[in-house]
Amino acid sequence: DIQMTQSPSSLSASVGETVTISCRASQDIDLYLNWYQQIPGKAPRLLIYGASNLLSGVPSRFSGGGSGTEFTLTISSLQPEDFATYHCQQAYSDFRTFGQGTKVEVK
Amino acid sequence: QVQMVQSGPEVKKPGASVKVSCKASGYSFVDYGLSWVRQAPGQGLEWMGWISIYYGQTRYAKILQDRVSMTRDTSTNTAYMELRSLRSDDTAVYYCARESDFGGLIVIQQWGQGTLVTVSA
Repeated sequence: DIQMTQSPSSLSASVGETVTISCRASQDIDLYLNWYQQIPGKAPRLLIYGASNLLSGVPSRFSGGGSGTEFTLTISSLQPEDFATYHCQQAYSDFRTFGQGTKVEVK
Repeated sequence: QVQMVQSGPEVKKPGASVKVSCKASGYSFVDYGLSWVRQAPGQGLEWMGWISIYYGQTRYAKILQDRVSMTRDTSTNTAYMELRSLRSDDTAVYYCARESDFGGLIVIQQWGQGTLVTVSA
């Protein structure tokens, strides 16, 4: 199976800051990388697909980049509603795998 | 609108089995594949497997393939996930999740509300 590794596992930031989360794949997955946001007690929500495509309705302060094995999710000017856990998922293989998640906490 | 309603919480003893249901509405059930994803307390998301609703074909995560079965009933628009030989580390929230194809890019855009399965003696 393709292993997905996110870093950091958690980070602390303030409203207005810019944060970047990394996701590394154990093999080349081209652009088949999705990002999800999860609020505690809720199901995940799709933010970005195909590494850099913002889902309709998702604020433009979210952006994704990368290809192959290295990917990033950047949140510019953090808002209070952005404090959540973020998960990457590869959709290159028929056996989908997720990263372990990155929790963005209030500093 | 699209809805995926899962069955209620379960408490099971080690060694038992659990079967979680996911009833879909608001879309053509057979036109989309469905994944099952679980999340242990305080942990990340774990992809368990996938079922083609149209064909019934399945793929299971290697770590679970000997204990999990995914089925569907197209007459009632309901999918099922059964996990056998339960262990304490199977305690988790279990989600059904509809896959969508965005121009060849597969995503999960719709999720059930989650079903908490607790395994405890």
